[in-house]
Amino acid sequence: EAGVTQSPTHLIKTRGQQATLRCSPISGHTSVYWYQQALGLGLQFLLWYDEGEERNRGNFPPRFSGRQFPNYSSELNVNALELEDSALYLCASSVGQVNTGELFFGEGSRLTVL
Amino acid sequence: QQQVKQSPQSLIVQKGGISIINCAYENTAFDYFPWYQQFPGKGPALLIAIRPDVSEKKEGRFTISFNKSAKQFSLHIMDSQPGDSATYFCAATNNNNDMRFGAGTRLTVKP
Repeated sequence: EAGVTQSPTHLIKTRGQQATLRCSPISGHTSVYWYQQALGLGLQFLLWYDEGEERNRGNFPPRFSGRQFPNYSSELNVNALELEDSALYLCASSVGQVNTGELFFGEGSRLTVL
Repeated sequence: QQQVKQSPQSLIVQKGGISIINCAYENTAFDYFPWYQQFPGKGPALLIAIRPDVSEKKEGRFTISFNKSAKQFSLHIMDSQPGDSATYFCAATNNNNDMRFGAGTRLTVKP
């Protein structure tokens, strides 16, 4: 069974540009989560999508947005890129509530903003 | 933003020793406390988890100790091995499906 897949693996952008990251959850998983992993800050919760709807978002500015498609895949958009957006962006999926199961993570998309 | 505080930031242990990583949380609504293990170039993977109705959970060489009154929990790795070298994240969540992670501990086990 395929795990969570993310693309691209690496992405280099310049300040002010837009970045789009994509995620395909494990088959049968309806919830998709996005986390930012910046050096020394652990995993910061960005967004949670379930059944095509945004269910919760972390403490990030509105230029971080995304959506979930009918096939449950998801994309994360970061507009007006800033240098501090450079990080590893991790997508995870789950079936049901995370306090009864686990999050399955992809290997991440490394975004570098120059 | 950081609702789960984790320490130490890095840890070096000799092979065969005990690795101990500590976490503290603030939100008393949290009811599920997992630990995730991340190897370089990989996403985190669930290692072990505990609920607040028990004080300890053991799976092989990995043990979680939980102190509800102090709002603290810790991971103990017994007989640490070089293959355990990874970054470990504690986390906490509730039925809002909002998983909050600690800042991570980079563990190095020296042979």
